[in-house]
Amino acid sequence: SQTIHQWPATLVQPVGSPLSLECTVEGTSNPNLYWYRQAAGRGLQLLFYSVGIGQISSEVPQNLSASRPQDRQFILSSKKLLLSDSGFYLCAWRPRAGVYGTQYFGPGTRLLVL
Amino acid sequence: AQRVTQPEKLLSVFKGAPVELKCNYSYSGSPELFWYVQYSRQRLQLLLRHISRESIKGFTADLNKGETSFHLKKPFAQEEDSAMYYCALHGGSQGNLIFGKGTKLSVKP
Repeated sequence: SQTIHQWPATLVQPVGSPLSLECTVEGTSNPNLYWYRQAAGRGLQLLFYSVGIGQISSEVPQNLSASRPQDRQFILSSKKLLLSDSGFYLCAWRPRAGVYGTQYFGPGTRLLVL
Repeated sequence: AQRVTQPEKLLSVFKGAPVELKCNYSYSGSPELFWYVQYSRQRLQLLLRHISRESIKGFTADLNKGETSFHLKKPFAQEEDSAMYYCALHGGSQGNLIFGKGTKLSVKP
């Protein structure tokens, strides 16, 4: 069966420090991958999505970037964190041939920037 | 513009009472709509989708194109229904979802 992992589960970082959040999917190939941010009162905001290795689409211009070095690995990065980067980050995947809308979410990473 | 609106941040009902979580959308084409749920300390997961016309855990949602709504309903709320509920619209060619801001449902004993 397919599973999705995210780490770390929680992270506290100072302003200006770099960031690397990792997401991996098991049990499937060629998934579409997504990064969302969940902030209080703002719902779920799509940050990046990827349809293949090295293919990244950005939905919202900001301080973050994403990379997909391997088929089932999706990384969210920042060179210098801002206070506004605090939030709950969710990774999700969808089968390439799956029903639209049926995305499967990871456990999330809670990021606090101080 | 494609948009999903959930007007209620918090909805509080008593156990056994009917519950309706509102969702309105804005979309120029033929919409595909979904409800996702996040229980405490659990992952966000799909609850139901309108194309399946299914009932999950007693919840139903009917797409009303005239009112551009997709409200989630349950006739008798249970305490275990307490969770965060998100309405979502499929609005992208890559299976992208547009989420509402969510409604926190609290069912009191």
